Amino acid sequence: DAGVIQSPRHEVTEMGQEVTLRCKPISGHDYLFWYRQTMMRGLELLIYFNNNVPIDDSGMPEDRFSAKMPNASFSTLKIQPSEPRDSAVYFCASSSGEVLRAFFGQGTRLTVV
Amino acid sequence: QKEVEQDPGPLSVPEGAIVSLNCTYSNSAFQYFMWYRQYSRKGPELLMYTYSSGNKEDGRFTAQVDKSSKYISLFIRDSQPSDSATYLCAMMTYNNNDMRFGAGTRLTVKP
Repeated sequence: DAGVIQSPRHEVTEMGQEVTLRCKPISGHDYLFWYRQTMMRGLELLIYFNNNVPIDDSGMPEDRFSAKMPNASFSTLKIQPSEPRDSAVYFCASSSGEVLRAFFGQGTRLTVV
Repeated sequence: QKEVEQDPGPLSVPEGAIVSLNCTYSNSAFQYFMWYRQYSRKGPELLMYTYSSGNKEDGRFTAQVDKSSKYISLFIRDSQPSDSATYLCAMMTYNNNDMRFGAGTRLTVKP
């Protein structure tokens, strides 16, 4: 298996634009997690899904953030409109059962200017 | 006060040294304690985890948890240049998928 695949790897956008980050989890995994990593706040859980259903989105910072998982092999994290403070590395991770055994993707480095 | 505190370093040691990495925490409900390794521009990968208190050893790595002091450690013996990475501690309560991460300690092992 190729692991968790995220796209794009890098994204530079202007403030106010819509940004969509994509994730393909490992086949057969039933949990999918979105994290954000910044120097100031470290790694934070934004939202997670179980069997394509959002379970906990309490980490989503604002209504500008939304996430979907239309099927078991694809998820998106959307920011609309984007702001400079959204600049971070966004990780997607997936697991089968235990969250602590989740496999992380390589991340999307987002820069909002 | 943050829920999980970790000295960000950086920490630089010579090859072969014993490395000690530490985290403290404030939430006494944490039951799972994890250590992740993150290479530059990569996602974190799980090194090892411990449930509740005690020690766990895996090759050159030893994890210790002292719940009475709310203190966890990761020891790396015979450190190698390939161990150069950022090490993140993480914790979570039982039956809750929200892991809380430390800031990460950046380690460099010099040949």
